[in-house]
This record gives sequence, C-alpha cells and structure tokens, in this order.
Amino acid sequence: GAGVSQSPRYKVAKRGQDVALRCDPISGHVSLFWYQQALGQGPEFLTYFQNEAQLDKSGLPSDRFFAERPEGSVSTLKIQRTQQEDSAVYLCASTHGGRVDTDTQYFGPGTRLTVL
Amino acid sequence: KNEVEQSPQNLTAQEGEFITINCSYSVGISALHWLQQHPGGGIVSLFMLSSGKKKHGRLIATINIQEKHSSLHITASHPRDSAVYICAAPTDKLIFGTGTRLQVFP
Repeated sequence: GAGVSQSPRYKVAKRGQDVALRCDPISGHVSLFWYQQALGQGPEFLTYFQNEAQLDKSGLPSDRFFAERPEGSVSTLKIQRTQQEDSAVYLCASTHGGRVDTDTQYFGPGTRLTVL
Repeated sequence: KNEVEQSPQNLTAQEGEFITINCSYSVGISALHWLQQHPGGGIVSLFMLSSGKKKHGRLIATINIQEKHSSLHITASHPRDSAVYICAAPTDKLIFGTGTRLQVFP
C-alpha cells in the first residue's frame, strides 16, 4: 500500500532486552516523526527527522532511546535495556514537507511494545 | 496544567445524536489539528484549521484562535463514529490532547 507502515505490529520483550522498531514512511515524504502513546493517553513527541537529519530529539525519554534515518527514508527507533515503563504504542508519522503547522501528518498503525 | 486540554474525556451517545467535543490550548499557534484514532491504533487526520469553520460530511470543526478554543461536532452520529478524537497543537512539534473517547450506540 501507499501508507506509512510499521513493523513489528506487536513486540513483547523481557526487561533488559534491546528492541528495534521500524517505520517505512510514504515514499518521497521529507519529514518523519516518532511518538510514544501510553495507554489511555494522547501521543507524545519523541523525535523528528527532515530527510536524514535528526532535527529534534528533545522528546526521547532517556539515552536508552536512539533513532536513525540514515538514507532519509526508512527510520528505526531503538530502545536499549528495555524497562517496564517503556511499554506503550510507538507511532510513526510522515509529512510531505517540513512544516508542522500546515502539513498533514500520515500515521502508521503503530508498534505495541510490552516489556515484561 | 496540560498545554492542550480536551473535554469530555469520555462520551456516550445514542445513534443520531449531535456530538460536541471541545479543545482548549494555552500555546500560541496559527492552526489546530483534529485527529481520529480507531481501536488498534491507526490515527487519521480529520481537519487542520486556522480560522472559522471547516466541514467534511457529518463532521464540523470550528476554531477561535483569539480565545484558543476549538470544537469538533458530529451531526447525526453513527456507531461507526465510535473512536478516540484527539486535538493537536503544532508548535515546533505536535502537542496532543489526551483524547475524547466516543461511543455511539445503536
């Protein structure tokens, strides 16, 4: 399909394991965003790329979280030494341009991470 | 106090009822997003508006930038409208409200 895809859709990890979450944005979309959504809450911003450049990573909760988009297309969010509080849905979104205020964000289905 | 607040948090309606969801924000923005999230996580953008009113089918969104308030209305609600509705304020990033969970019963 032509939408944003994410994999895996579900991930169960034991506390302390490393995980990698993948996002495939819409082809040609310049900007890519990662969000974390805890149960019953709205999404919260994690980080933002414009092409391959990570312009804002102020929302990453700790240095265990790392994101990359090396070729300006697919992005990976990596969480090292997972903790139970990392359990959430991780959402990816992409936009055609680089404007947060005017560009429509297209969201992927999310990856539900459960840390036991 | 959250920068983007929604009310009510939960809403139950009978099919056919008129629905109103409110969003207030404290940040300075030039436009506001309304999003819909169905069970399973998928989020769809409904509206992006900077002034006045926008209409799409049975959905109407209004905004008053000066009063920092927006409303989403659903006319003739239907069970398929059951979802979480989220408003989001674009600063240098999107700041989301906590969402309003709507359930419409037949």
